[in-house]
Amino acid sequence: QKEVEQDPGPLSVPEGAIVSLNCTYSNSAFQYFMWYRQYSRKGPELLMYTYSSGNKEDGRFTAQVDKSSKYISLFIRDSQPSDSATYLCAMSANAGGTSYGKLTFGQGTILTVHP
Amino acid sequence: DAGVTQSPTHLIKTRGQHVTLRCSPISGHKSVSWYQQVLGQGPQFIFQYYEKEERGRGNFPDRFSARQFPNYSSELNVNALLLGDSALYLCASSTRGQGQETQYFGPGTRLLVL
Repeated sequence: QKEVEQDPGPLSVPEGAIVSLNCTYSNSAFQYFMWYRQYSRKGPELLMYTYSSGNKEDGRFTAQVDKSSKYISLFIRDSQPSDSATYLCAMSANAGGTSYGKLTFGQGTILTVHP
Repeated sequence: DAGVTQSPTHLIKTRGQHVTLRCSPISGHKSVSWYQQVLGQGPQFIFQYYEKEERGRGNFPDRFSARQFPNYSSELNVNALLLGDSALYLCASSTRGQGQETQYFGPGTRLLVL
């Protein structure tokens, strides 16, 4: 079983739709949760970063973390064609001791927003 | 400010050859991590370096090695290339490489092994 499972998609939605992207994880040591956006043939770009259960909003994007269920989500409101990309969830464990900032990624969800 | 830079952008090699990939972190960042991203998958952790010391290693064979230089730039070396090494190799930098820090990724080096 992979430490991080991401709904693989692909997702195809009309412009203006609300998009929901999800990941589950099995490692209780994960404390920091990120969503990256990756355009074709580019490196991942950080979209959202959270470290506590609950919601965090930034413009059209909302990140949700439920540590009790080991489940994270990213919501995109009023989706635009420019949102078409691969979305990657990523997680890391606490610092200290022999821990280090290794990111564990989901497999990514390809999103297409059509006009 | 310049972001993370990587070179070369593309590379074609044949099986059995050796390859060296290079990364320059964001100014002020002392930690560099390397990831391998196979087509259709999320990035997989290969190495992390901080202050020129290896701090962590993922589940990759000894054919993979890396080092970090006094200016915090880094090289990833892969020996005896296999077809399965074809992937996008990503470099990420952060201040100290701690779990709570944001890691910033470069554009990657796309390696094709024939």
